[in-house]
Amino acid sequence: EVQLVESGGGLVQPGGSLRLSCTASGFTFSRYWMSWVRQAPGKGLEWVANINEDGSEKYFVDSVRGRFTISRDNVRTSLSLRMNSLRGEDTAVYFCARHLGPKFRAPLDYWGQGTLVSVSS
Amino acid sequence: EIVLTQSPGTLSLSPGERATLSCRASQSVSSSYLAWYQQKPGQAPRLLIYGASNRATGIPDRFSGSGSGTDFTLTIRRLEPEDFAVYYCQQYGNSPLYLFGQGTKLEI
Repeated sequence: EVQLVESGGGLVQPGGSLRLSCTASGFTFSRYWMSWVRQAPGKGLEWVANINEDGSEKYFVDSVRGRFTISRDNVRTSLSLRMNSLRGEDTAVYFCARHLGPKFRAPLDYWGQGTLVSVSS
Repeated sequence: EIVLTQSPGTLSLSPGERATLSCRASQSVSSSYLAWYQQKPGQAPRLLIYGASNRATGIPDRFSGSGSGTDFTLTIRRLEPEDFAVYYCQQYGNSPLYLFGQGTKLEI
């Protein structure tokens, strides 16, 4: 059974940093692109970043580029999102999700339950 | 940049009825790169349809997708109580990457 479990969310002050993790199991992690998607309270979905199978390709939405870093550890089957210079508008539930198949352009077929990041003073 | 507009914002129907949800793109989207998701309160989204018309694994056949170019539709034949949720379309082929529509709430 495919499982994705996020952790690391919490309350952080504006300008602060946070590192989110996603532990994957039930599939060959190293064969899949992975994404982070966020959802602000009461709002819709926004894709944040993704990373290819070996970590050599990374893409970000414009609003986080230069502030967020995505990485992965295929031995530990984990995905990370390092968030710096956090702003109020970064407040959201952050989901990690797997791409359907080993593809860059692919829908997201498995999702974790999400971890809440709140940016507030 | 592509903009996805879903309509209606809210759809009120009863179990057993047919639901038709629309997703309109501001520019042509390859059918290969259009997906639909269902999200219930407090849960993660679930992939329903990809490539405009392909049902994801385990999705009942009462869900179907269609469309091409700029107009796409998700149809739910004979609504079940568990189908009442928010539905999002997504394009994953053009810029901006992996863009979601704003969602349609399907309510009883």
